[in-house]
Formats: sequence, structure tokens, C-alpha cells
Amino acid sequence: DAKTTQPNSMESNEEEPVHLPCNHSTISGTDYIHWYRQLPSQGPEYVIHGLTSNVNNRMASLAIAEDRKSSTLILHRATLRDAAVYYCILIHAGNMLTFGGGTRLMVKP
Amino acid sequence: DTAVSQTPKYLVTQMGNDKSIKCEQNLGHDTMYWYKQDSKKFLKIMFSYNNKELIINETVPNRFSPKSPDKAHLNLHINSLELGDSAVYFCASSHSELLSGTQYFGPGTRLLVL
Repeated sequence: DAKTTQPNSMESNEEEPVHLPCNHSTISGTDYIHWYRQLPSQGPEYVIHGLTSNVNNRMASLAIAEDRKSSTLILHRATLRDAAVYYCILIHAGNMLTFGGGTRLMVKP
Repeated sequence: DTAVSQTPKYLVTQMGNDKSIKCEQNLGHDTMYWYKQDSKKFLKIMFSYNNKELIINETVPNRFSPKSPDKAHLNLHINSLELGDSAVYFCASSHSELLSGTQYFGPGTRLLVL
């Protein structure tokens, strides 16, 4: 699986939007861009995924660059419960997920 | 209602023992996985399994073996436990025909080898 690069940590204030970046310059045409998050003492949780177009769901939005070499996970209003490690992962059907270090998001009240 | 469940939640055991961790999913998925998260918090895939094939991460010692009695279960057997096996083990599942490959994870089993 192609590699992704994310900042080690980010901080946000509660109620403000958060933009979590991910670089994946070696992405192939069939790779889906996935975001998972892991809250303290819990298993990873699916957040959102996309292929080429921007995506929205109840948890977040995913903005994908036109060349697909980068993407941004957007939390529109961060809450304390959003404090977690966020993982950006590239995957093709049936392949095993390869987790990197992720971005630790800290949310300040 | 839990989609992916694991038992036990905590497991404390002595070096050299053999233990099993159970995983069940009620999502109707056909592919299941085991991951290991060590003390540095890195998540590493160990196995991917469906009724067609078992894919093993080459770094996993052969003391670890997955066993699937049916599509809804994938248990992890560990023989001759070592101190370095202490970690959190996560089970996950997905539908192989779903091109996006979204996986759903269990809550984890915290294994401590003394």
C-alpha cells in the first residue's frame, strides 16, 4: 500500500473547525483514501473515505486534491470527544490496512 | 448489538502459556483481521482471512495462528507466550466485495504476559 504522511500532532479549540492534512504523493488510481480515528482505550473507528470527489457524512468532510496527492479531513466543530489519533490510510479492495503514526488531535476547552 | 466483539477484554497470563482470544462479528462480513498495537501505539496487521485465503504478515511469529470456525468468528491462538507479546489485540471485519475496503474494529483485548 502507498505511504501517507501526517503531522504528529495538532491542537484545536473547542467549537472551532479542524483541518487535518494528509500527503499521499504515491497514490495509485485504484486506492481509496480512508480516515480512521482511535479514541483513548478504544479500537479504531471508521470516519470517512473517498476516491476522487469530496465527501461529507455526519462525522466529517473529506476534501481531496484534484491530483489526489493530498487530502484533508475536516471536523466542522471540534468537541472534546473528538480528541483522538486520526489515521489517513490508502487502501484497495481486499488489502490489509497499513496504519502510520497518525495525527494526535488535542482539543482545548 | 455490538458489531465486532472480542473476549476477553483483559488477559493476564504467565510466560510460556497458551491462550486464545475470540472475535465475533454480526455484520455479515466475509473477511476478518487481527491487528496488534504495541506500547508505542503502532497498529500492525497480523492476519487477513476469508473463506478463500489466509494472508499472513511475514513478521508474525508462527506461535500465532488464526482459527475460523465459521464466517462470523476468527479466533487468535497464541502458543508459548512471551513477554513481547504484551499488547492490545484488535479484531476487525470487512466485506471483500466492497471496493472501498472499509473495516470495522472490535474494542480490543489487552494482553499482559508476566
